[in-house]
Amino acid sequence: QVQLQQSGAEVGRPGASVKVSCKASGYSFTGYYMHWVRQAPGQGLEWMGIMNPRGGSATFAQKFEGRVTFTRDTSTSTVYMEISNLKSEDTAVYYCAREGATGWLRPAYYYDFWGQGTLVVASS
Amino acid sequence: QSVLTQPASVSGSPGQSITVSCTGTSSDIGGYNFVSWYQQHPGKAPKLIMFDVSTRPSGVSDRFSGSKSGKTASLTISGLQAEDEADYYCASYTSTSALRVFGGGTKVTVL
Repeated sequence: QVQLQQSGAEVGRPGASVKVSCKASGYSFTGYYMHWVRQAPGQGLEWMGIMNPRGGSATFAQKFEGRVTFTRDTSTSTVYMEISNLKSEDTAVYYCAREGATGWLRPAYYYDFWGQGTLVVASS
Repeated sequence: QSVLTQPASVSGSPGQSITVSCTGTSSDIGGYNFVSWYQQHPGKAPKLIMFDVSTRPSGVSDRFSGSKSGKTASLTISGLQAEDEADYYCASYTSTSALRVFGGGTKVTVL
């Protein structure tokens, strides 16, 4: 069965970097786009960006351009999200979410599986 | 401020039907049938309950239904049950550089 297993909670000082992992299993890793979505405490869902796990290319929401990077390791079917220059407003639960597909790397425009979420706290 | 507009809260009594709206623009909901809905219980990850406006994933109760008119999509929950109390989010593809957008979420309360 499809599973997305995320790494544990992180605490980072303002200005530092934090890296969250998302290990995929139960499907062909390179056949589905992966997204990152975050949710600040008591707030709604915020789309951060999308990654092509085959080639490694990524597109980000404008507010995250230059401060967030997505990488992947195809040998372990793991994607990573790193956010740098941490700010207090980055305190949130970060989710990886698989985009459904109508064919190999053909996006279906919905998220059919989600990781359990990783709490990132920006605090000095 | 979210790109898609949802009411902050909707409530209903057990057995009743409620509808959650989600309003966007011609660049997202009005231009494409790629609207999806997610249910989120406290402390849990979101769960897909509707995609392509009105298609239910396998295993989702048929008490949930979706529709769209112009720039507004709607999620209807019929025969409201206590377990339906949760936050609901709409999402859509967008032709703008944002690529994907969410609504601000609607808290559904079962009275």
